[in-house]
Amino acid sequence: DAKTTQPPSMDCAEGRAANLPCNHSTISGNEYVYWYRQIHSQGPQYIIHGLKNNETNEMASLIITEDRKSSTLILPHATLRDTAVYYCIVRVAGETSGSRLTFGEGTQLTVNP
Amino acid sequence: DVKVTQSSRYLVKRTGEKVFLECVQDMDHENMFWYRQDPGLGLRLIYFSYDVKMKEKGDIPEGYSVSREKKERFSLILESASTNQTSMYLCASSFFQGRYTFGSGTRLTVV
Repeated sequence: DAKTTQPPSMDCAEGRAANLPCNHSTISGNEYVYWYRQIHSQGPQYIIHGLKNNETNEMASLIITEDRKSSTLILPHATLRDTAVYYCIVRVAGETSGSRLTFGEGTQLTVNP
Repeated sequence: DVKVTQSSRYLVKRTGEKVFLECVQDMDHENMFWYRQDPGLGLRLIYFSYDVKMKEKGDIPEGYSVSREKKERFSLILESASTNQTSMYLCASSFFQGRYTFGSGTRLTVV
């Protein structure tokens, strides 16, 4: 699986958009970008994933560059409850056995009042 | 929503005890996983299973074993608990590869 690079920490003002970057310059053509977050003392939570098109759901938007070497997770109106560690993971998708997700260090996002 | 339920939120065990951590999921997922999470080390995969009675070692299987007798249940076993196994243990399940649902975690303390 391709390696990802994320800033260790970011701050955001409540109500503003939070833009979390991720570099994955060695991504392969069949690898998806996944984002998870982990609020303190809870299990990680799936947010969104994409292959090459931008994706949006009720939680966030995912913007993937045309060359797919980087992506940005956007929380459009950050709240205090969005304070968490955000993980960007690159993974082959598909229904093969033995699937596994490898978590890096992630980005600690702190939303300030 | 898929639910992954871990039997205990907090657990305190003595060194040398046999410890069972239970995990149950309610969405008929094939894949189930056990991770541990420690400060500064992130989430590390211990074991995973992609079918009933099937198991695969993850990155740190030493000192652990697993059991998957039924599709919905995946148990992590510490044969003889040691203090270095004090950690947060997280169970997850998935059908679609990459889209995991995690439980709330079990914080195990071995004294």
